[in-house]
Amino acid sequence: EDQVTQSPEALRLQEGESSSLNCSYTVSGLRGLFWYRQDPGKGPEFLFTLYSAGEEKEKERLKATLTKKESFLHITAPKPEDSATYLCAVSLEDYKLSFGAGTTVTVRA
Amino acid sequence: ETGVTQTPRHLVMGMTNKKSLKCEQHLGHNAMYWYKQSAKKPLELMFVYSLEERVENNSVPSRFSPECPNSSHLFLHLHTLQPEDSALYLCASSQQRNQPQHFGDGTRLSIL
Repeated sequence: EDQVTQSPEALRLQEGESSSLNCSYTVSGLRGLFWYRQDPGKGPEFLFTLYSAGEEKEKERLKATLTKKESFLHITAPKPEDSATYLCAVSLEDYKLSFGAGTTVTVRA
Repeated sequence: ETGVTQTPRHLVMGMTNKKSLKCEQHLGHNAMYWYKQSAKKPLELMFVYSLEERVENNSVPSRFSPECPNSSHLFLHLHTLQPEDSALYLCASSQQRNQPQHFGDGTRLSIL
């Protein structure tokens, strides 16, 4: 059965304290892996797409990497405005998106 | 106006009511989606439309009825809902089905 698991469920960081979020998947026929950011009361905001193992994408303090079994979202020197829930989703052979439950990141000043 | 717009933002209804959720995208995309987001659970795909044709119905109860009159508009018609249907309903669109999806801010639905 296709499955997407995100860890940890919640992450509390001090401003400037770098860390990583994990998204592991057990799916067949991966078409792509997507990262989204969701703020309270808002819809998910697209961040990155990764298509093949070894691929990396960067945007400001965020960097996403992909292996054959998992993806990491690295947050470097986070600021309070990076506080959000980060969602991982995998695109399957039929192009359906299967989402993880998310990691809620809180960055304290 | 740009992006994906959903109305209303909040909706409270009784179990015997009939209401509709509306989604409009201004991105020129060809695919549109309805998702359900419940607390502490992953987003659940409900329906997929590609070029106005429904291509996915993810075992959703018949009390939810989608409609896609054109490539820019998507509706979700609701009737005789249950308390467990209370959730955030999100609409999304993408250029093609394997492209990144762009989401609206959702409709928060509460069933009394």
